[in-house]
Amino acid sequence: DTGVSQDPRHKITKRGQNVTFRCDPISEHNRLYWYRQTLGQGPEFLTYFQNEAQLEKSRLLSDRFSAERPKGSFSTLEIQRTEQGDSAMYLCAASGGQYQETQYFGPGTRLLVL
Amino acid sequence: ELKVEQNPLFLSMQEGKNYTIYCNYSTTSDRLYWYRQDPGKSLESLFVLLSNGAVKQEGRLMASLDTKARLSTLHITAAVHDLSATYFCFLNDYKLSFGAGTTVTVRA
Repeated sequence: DTGVSQDPRHKITKRGQNVTFRCDPISEHNRLYWYRQTLGQGPEFLTYFQNEAQLEKSRLLSDRFSAERPKGSFSTLEIQRTEQGDSAMYLCAASGGQYQETQYFGPGTRLLVL
Repeated sequence: ELKVEQNPLFLSMQEGKNYTIYCNYSTTSDRLYWYRQDPGKSLESLFVLLSNGAVKQEGRLMASLDTKARLSTLHITAAVHDLSATYFCFLNDYKLSFGAGTTVTVRA
C-alpha cells in the first residue's frame, strides 16, 4: 500500500459530460503528479503540484483539463466535455518534498467515454 | 527532447533462464527508476538508481545504471511465473518520462 488513494476507481461517462477525479496522498507527500496511461503505453505526464502550487503542465493538458490542489492536500483532475480519446487510466502519484524522490502511485481511475 | 527507449518491448521468458531488459535515454540524468505494473493495476516501485555504477538487487531482479552510456539494465535471474508483468524505466529529470514498457511473460 503506497498510501495514495484515488476515487473513483472506474468511471463510465457519455461524450460531452464532465468528470472529476480525486487523489488523496499521505500528508508527507508534498509533490503530487497526474499521469494518463492508455493501453499498451507508458504513463504520460500531465501536471504536477508542489504543495498547492501547480508548477508544470504538459502540452497534453488541453484547456478541457484542469487540476487543483487546494491547501496542498488532496487533488482533483477535471475533464470537461469529455471525448472518446480521453478514455484512459488516470494515475496519481506522490512523493516527498525532496527533488526527484521516488513517486508512489495510486491505484488509478479508469475512464471510459462512450 | 528527452527520449527513453526500452527494449525489447515484449519478452517471452522460459522458467529458469536469465534475461535482460535495456533502457536507453537521451539526457544526462544520474537518477533512474524501475517500476512494475501488473495487468489492470497501478505501478509498483522496484528500484531507484541514484548514481553512475549503481546496482540494486531484490530477489531475482537486479538493476544497474551506467550514466556515461545513458543505459540502465534490469536483469532477471532464473525467471519464474510471478515475474510476468510490464516493466517500465522512468527518468525524473527536467521532463518526467517513462519508457514504453517491456511486457514480460514467463512460460513453463
